[in-house]
Amino acid sequence: DQQVKQNSPSLSVQEGRISILNCDYTNSMFDYFLWYKKYPAEGPTFLISISSIKDKNEDGRFTVFLNKSAKHLSLHIVPSQPGDSAVYFCASRGGAQKLVFGQGTRLTINP
Amino acid sequence: DAGITQSPRHKVTETGTPVTLRCHQTENHRYMYWYRQDPGHGLRLIHYSYGVKDTDKGEVSDGYSVSRSKTEDFLLTLESATSSQTSVYFCAISESFNVRTDTQYFGPGTRLTVL
Repeated sequence: DQQVKQNSPSLSVQEGRISILNCDYTNSMFDYFLWYKKYPAEGPTFLISISSIKDKNEDGRFTVFLNKSAKHLSLHIVPSQPGDSAVYFCASRGGAQKLVFGQGTRLTINP
Repeated sequence: DAGITQSPRHKVTETGTPVTLRCHQTENHRYMYWYRQDPGHGLRLIHYSYGVKDTDKGEVSDGYSVSRSKTEDFLLTLESATSSQTSVYFCAISESFNVRTDTQYFGPGTRLTVL
């Protein structure tokens, strides 16, 4: 049973435009959410996070939005750059602080 | 970058053979984790350790065992590899179990193929 779902396996965006990656979760007990970025042949690296007491967190070009009533979070990247091409995983804090990851979305930024 | 290495980086083995993957860290972090990454599943926790000789099961622990005899090393063993264990394996470390304050840092991964 997938508790964290990223329903778009891939996304293609023009350079300079906004990239929006989506994530849904099913467990209302999740109270902390993270996004990781992964390049080929490398491990995931932490990108940005948000607590359930907030609805928005911003870090430079990256903003994460949380809609608790819809159990939905999204990552906005503005403006998108070629170096943003990667696989993005959302993750939620589950029981006993363990992370539960989504399936990942492959983002491709086209020049 | 956090000092995490994984060995081997690539391995091809046959069904039924034992396999051990090694994770080595130079950060002196207390917590270490083993994940596997599969298409359609993202990353799933196999086992984790909260100190030397202290380990616990994750979401997909069947068929795997772990050992941690030193702070810096966390071993993942497949006693008898099966084709369903073909995957990319990632080790991660963190200072504490609190994801709010302590990020998990990931190693570069080991690609394992079981024929």
